Formats: sequence, structure tokens, C-alpha cells
Amino acid sequence: GDSVTQMEGPVTLSEEAFLTINCTYTATGYPSLFWYVQYPGEGLQLLLKATKADDKGSNKGFEATYRKETTSFHLEKGSVQVSDSAVYFCALTLNDYKLSFGAGTTVTVRA
Amino acid sequence: EAGVAQSPRYKIIEKRQSVAFWCNPISGHATLYWYQQILGQGPKLLIQFQNNGVVDDSQLPKDRFSAERLKGVDSTLKIQPAKLEDSAVYLCASSFRQGGYTFGSGTRLTVV
Repeated sequence: GDSVTQMEGPVTLSEEAFLTINCTYTATGYPSLFWYVQYPGEGLQLLLKATKADDKGSNKGFEATYRKETTSFHLEKGSVQVSDSAVYFCALTLNDYKLSFGAGTTVTVRA
Repeated sequence: EAGVAQSPRYKIIEKRQSVAFWCNPISGHATLYWYQQILGQGPKLLIQFQNNGVVDDSQLPKDRFSAERLKGVDSTLKIQPAKLEDSAVYLCASSFRQGGYTFGSGTRLTVV
């Protein structure tokens, strides 16, 4: 079935470090791809999305590019802050159907 | 725009008891989802409604879980009887168009 696999955590970084979280997908068609973030004690929030190949989603300094040739949607941020500490989920949907999530990657940024 | 409302925020019950969760989606959102998020895992779809009809309930443990969406608006998810492994956060989400998913804050259930 359609699924996403994302880099296992936890990931611990120092402030201003570069962050990459890998995400690859398996889908029977052409999915839309998402990154969601869950801050401690809060609900899921959409971070960014891309709906077709070569699209780049960006928000709050985070970026991810939809790579059809490698079936990937890696999340990157050039300089993380303590406030970026959260759990990040990669997800996909086909035809506006259900969201299928990865297992999540816990990121901790130290001051 | 008001968000997706869920209640209660937290619930602790003993195994074999019953529990119900409530969700009020964003006004006008035809599609409503219930997800189960077990600690350390990604959310897993339990059931998807389109208006008041069920689109997908293939992952819903129907021997103990039930859900309904009255008049295509509010929804309730019930567990009866609860098991220890049902301890999780239950997330409600709604959507109007492709990619337009909005999640509620969830209900954290602890079964002891």
C-alpha cells in the first residue's frame, strides 16, 4: 500500500546547525506530500506541502522538494533554533484521500 | 476560522470500561477523519467520513470501536470495552479540499 518511511530519531542538534530529515515514499499514483510538526503538548500542524513533482514547499525556514525520480521529500532547515524542537511527520495522500504518516522524527535543539 | 474542536482533552479509564470522544469539524468541511496516535508512532487512520457516510473504516477494530457522524457535522468515537493497548491520542481532522487538512488538539486516553 501507499506509505512513507522517514529517518529514525531522535535527532539532537545545537542551535544554528543544519537539519535534514529524510523521507521516502511508496505510492501507486502521484501523491501529494506533506510535512507536519507536533510541538510538545500540541496538536499536529501543517508545516509545508507539495502537490506535484519538482514542487518545493517552504515555511518558517524549512524546505522540502518533491523528487519523483528518487521518491523522496526530505525536510531541511539551514539554521535551527531551540523553538524548532518538536516531532516531525512526513505524510502523503492520494486523490485527497486519507493521510498516511511516517513514524515521526523527534528533533531536539540545544541552546 | 475556528479550528477543529475535540473533547475531552484527557481521559483516564480502567480496562473494560467504555469511553466516548467528540469532534466538531470546521464548518463546511465535508470530510472528517479519526486517527489513533500511539506513543512513538505516526497517526493511523481509524475511520473517514464523507458527509455522514463512511468512506473507509478498514482499520477500525469494529468489535470494540464505533463511530458516527450525525447530520454530517459532529462526530463521536466510542470504545467499548477498552483495552490497555487503546491508550493513545485520538485525533480528529477535517478537510474541504485537497491538502486542506486541519487537525484538532486530540484526546489523550490512558487505559489502566
